[in-house]
Amino acid sequence: DIQMTQSPSTLSASVGDRVTITCRASQSFSSWLAWYQQKPGKAPKLLIYKASSLESGVPSRFSGSGSGTEYTLTISSLQPDDLATYYCQHYNSYSVFGQGTKLEIK
Amino acid sequence: QVQLVQSGGDVVQPGRSLRLSCAASGFTFSSYAMHWVRQAPGKGLEWVAVISYDGSNKLYADSVRGRFTISRDNSKNTVYLQMNSLRGEDTAVYYCARGPVRGFYYFDYWGQGTLVTVSS
Repeated sequence: DIQMTQSPSTLSASVGDRVTITCRASQSFSSWLAWYQQKPGKAPKLLIYKASSLESGVPSRFSGSGSGTEYTLTISSLQPDDLATYYCQHYNSYSVFGQGTKLEIK
Repeated sequence: QVQLVQSGGDVVQPGRSLRLSCAASGFTFSSYAMHWVRQAPGKGLEWVAVISYDGSNKLYADSVRGRFTISRDNSKNTVYLQMNSLRGEDTAVYYCARGPVRGFYYFDYWGQGTLVTVSS
């Protein structure tokens, strides 16, 4: 079974910073990777699918990239509203989530 | 707009049963697979089950197979999760979610979540 490992587990950054979260897979796969944002007490929200496709309505400061076993979520200019936990997910006809990255605003 | 409104969460004793519901609106419900995903307190996300658009195919996570049953009523735009033989480790917020692409288990819309607590 494929396992997904996110790093870092916690990240503290300032408004305006460029932020990168990494998701590494135990086996290579072909771009079936999604990113979700979960704010405290709320349901997750889809940000990115197929590694780099931006979900409709998601701000363009969010972007995804990667292939094989390494994928990244980048926030180009951190905003206060981005305080959340971020999850990667490898999917096909199954689903495997990363353990999450908690993003704190300095 | 797409809405998924959940109900049914409760506190139940180990070994008992509970049924969750998720009422959909704002899209053609009968065209989409529906999933349940759960999140234990302070933990990450775990996919639980999926049902195909027409109810003909159902798949479960190993952790719930044989105890949980997913079903849907397309006339009522509702998906259900029947949970039997509940255990303490089933304590979680349960989310229903829409699968936007057939055969791929990612989720574009989520319900608000409902808390299931299994405790004596």
